[in-house]
Amino acid sequence: AQSVTQLDSHVSVSEGTPVLLRCNYSSSYSPSLFWYVQHPNKGLQLLLKYTSAATLVKGINGFEAEFKKSETSFHLTKPSAHMSDAAEYFCVVSDQGGFQKLVFGTGTRLLVSP
Amino acid sequence: ETGVTQSPTHLIKTRGQQVTLRCSSQSGHNTVSWYQQALGQGPQFIFQYYREEENGRGNFPPRFSGLQFPNYSSELNVNALELDDSALYLCASSLATGENYEQYFGPGTRLTVT
Repeated sequence: AQSVTQLDSHVSVSEGTPVLLRCNYSSSYSPSLFWYVQHPNKGLQLLLKYTSAATLVKGINGFEAEFKKSETSFHLTKPSAHMSDAAEYFCVVSDQGGFQKLVFGTGTRLLVSP
Repeated sequence: ETGVTQSPTHLIKTRGQQVTLRCSSQSGHNTVSWYQQALGQGPQFIFQYYREEENGRGNFPPRFSGLQFPNYSSELNVNALELDDSALYLCASSLATGENYEQYFGPGTRLTVT
């Protein structure tokens, strides 16, 4: 079964500084990987997805992630944090069972201070 | 905002009772997935419906059941509620089953079991 591990439960940054949210995956084959964001009282929103094309994936709101097979990692980055980026972020792997079953990590809460 | 809606927004039930949660999928989507998100955790896959048939199921007991209607809206039913069923229940719709189709999430129903 596929799984993801988010290495930090909380990350604190100052506005304007870089963001790094770490994720390692476990998969027996080339996985499909995603990052979702969840703002309070809002649904989950897809930030970006990797599906075996380019290893550097660009998403919405300036976020990007790099797929590194040798390190089994899929870290999420943003060059400059904005106050509106404060939210819960989930690294997700698709478990291929003939249908799309999303397997979520435990989440990383991003705190952005002025 | 996605076109996925869920009702009700909040619900309080007593242990042993039954509950029905509803999901209206985005226009044109024939696949609905349900997830349970306990407090402080990532969402966990419950099951998926594709064209009115259950298409896959996670590790949830049979007292969790569902339906999908001809208009592709969906219900999640939980019988014999337990305290541990307290969670945010999310539904997601997609154009079709399979990992190439993005899942669009609704805002969720917050269920509290007392």
